[in-house]
Amino acid sequence: QVQLVESGGGVVQPGGSLRLSCAASGFTFSSYGMHWVRQAPGKGLEWVAFIRYDGSNKYYADSVKGRFTISRDNSKNTLYLQMNSLRAEDTAVYYCAKDYGGNDWYFDLWGRGTLVTVSS
Amino acid sequence: QLVLTQSPSASASLGASVKLTCTLSSGHSSYAIAWHQQQPEKGPRYLMKLNSDGSHSKGDGIPDRFSGSSSGAERYLTISSLQSEDEADYYCQTWGTGIQFGGGTKLTVL
Repeated sequence: QVQLVESGGGVVQPGGSLRLSCAASGFTFSSYGMHWVRQAPGKGLEWVAFIRYDGSNKYYADSVKGRFTISRDNSKNTLYLQMNSLRAEDTAVYYCAKDYGGNDWYFDLWGRGTLVTVSS
Repeated sequence: QLVLTQSPSASASLGASVKLTCTLSSGHSSYAIAWHQQQPEKGPRYLMKLNSDGSHSKGDGIPDRFSGSSSGAERYLTISSLQSEDEADYYCQTWGTGIQFGGGTKLTVL
């Protein structure tokens, strides 16, 4: 079954850290770039980060640059998002999404998301 | 600056058709977009990629009731024979300098 399953969300204090994981199955994970996208409560979608299929290049939204790190382990079919120096405005559901491939950056498979709450 | 603009809400009756619009900012009328659907309390689902010439490629399992078209800087998503499960938020998304989402349109099926 083709799917993405996120985990690792929870409640964390401002300034704290959290690592999200996304387990992929049903497709050749190592052949595709992967994204993280988030959605604050009651708000729209916001792209967070992208990593190429082999991990050679990584791109970040300005809002998380320097604080978040995207990575992947192709041997485990798993995508990660290390989140440091968390702020209240990082509170959101975080989705991992598969890139279609090629030079077009759009998502053709989404996970169900994991909720991150930054609060004291 | 690359910006996508969507109407916040739309409504149509069960069994009818509705056309949702996504407008690309000035100077970006040649850009392709993707449409995504988000049903209540669920993760988004990819619907289709839509090119500036109106050609589109749909995701696996997307019903024929969903179609796309383009005119200038406008990108459209048409849903025909509306069903209750079509009640959802619809987002357009594009790429260029980073990845941009429209604000989303909340579709209510009456």
